[in-house]
Amino acid sequence: DAKTTQPTSMDCAEGRAANLPCNHSTISGNEYVYWYRQIHSQGPQYIIHGLKNNETNEMASLIITEDRKSSTLILPHATLRDTAVYYCIVRVANNNNDMRFGAGTRLTVKP
Amino acid sequence: DTGVSQDPRHKITKRGQNVTFRCDPISEHNRLYWYRQTLGQGPEFLTYFQNEAQLEKSRLLSDRFSAERPKGSFSTLEIQRTEQGDSAMYLCASSLVYGYTFGSGTRLTVV
Repeated sequence: DAKTTQPTSMDCAEGRAANLPCNHSTISGNEYVYWYRQIHSQGPQYIIHGLKNNETNEMASLIITEDRKSSTLILPHATLRDTAVYYCIVRVANNNNDMRFGAGTRLTVKP
Repeated sequence: DTGVSQDPRHKITKRGQNVTFRCDPISEHNRLYWYRQTLGQGPEFLTYFQNEAQLEKSRLLSDRFSAERPKGSFSTLEIQRTEQGDSAMYLCASSLVYGYTFGSGTRLTVV
């Protein structure tokens, strides 16, 4: 029973912004939106998370719609090393065990 | 902080043999998780420890699988009488409160 919906794959030109969408129309009030990515042959890597305000860190920005039913992860200047599978996950932030991964979006950054 | 370490990185075994994987979490993290990932899929939850207590097991964890975390430090995942369907990447993660930190995984191939 997937809580999020993401496109299967996306392409992005090197140096351009990569905008990865995620739908989470059934999100609860106490659930956060988390983003992870997985580069080939590595474990998933935490990127960013947020509740309702937009968030930015050194890796990416997270834009959450006002109704919280969808969000967008933005990589401002994509590089070839950003090629990975990106996972959008909704979970209660301090819940012990509710990190559930879907199939994610395979982002390919092209030169 | 050396991150989450998993050993071995790769394991090839014959069907019917037993295998054991080890995970060393980040030292101050009291929560430890095991996931399994097959090609093209996101990681699937297997089991979870808080300190030395195993608090949840997925239905994916058949009777042939057992996990331990003695003394609440490192953890082991054992698979008995391996089957070809057990071929996958086995990921370990640890956390303290919010985000998970994953290891690079152990890739198991059953021939």
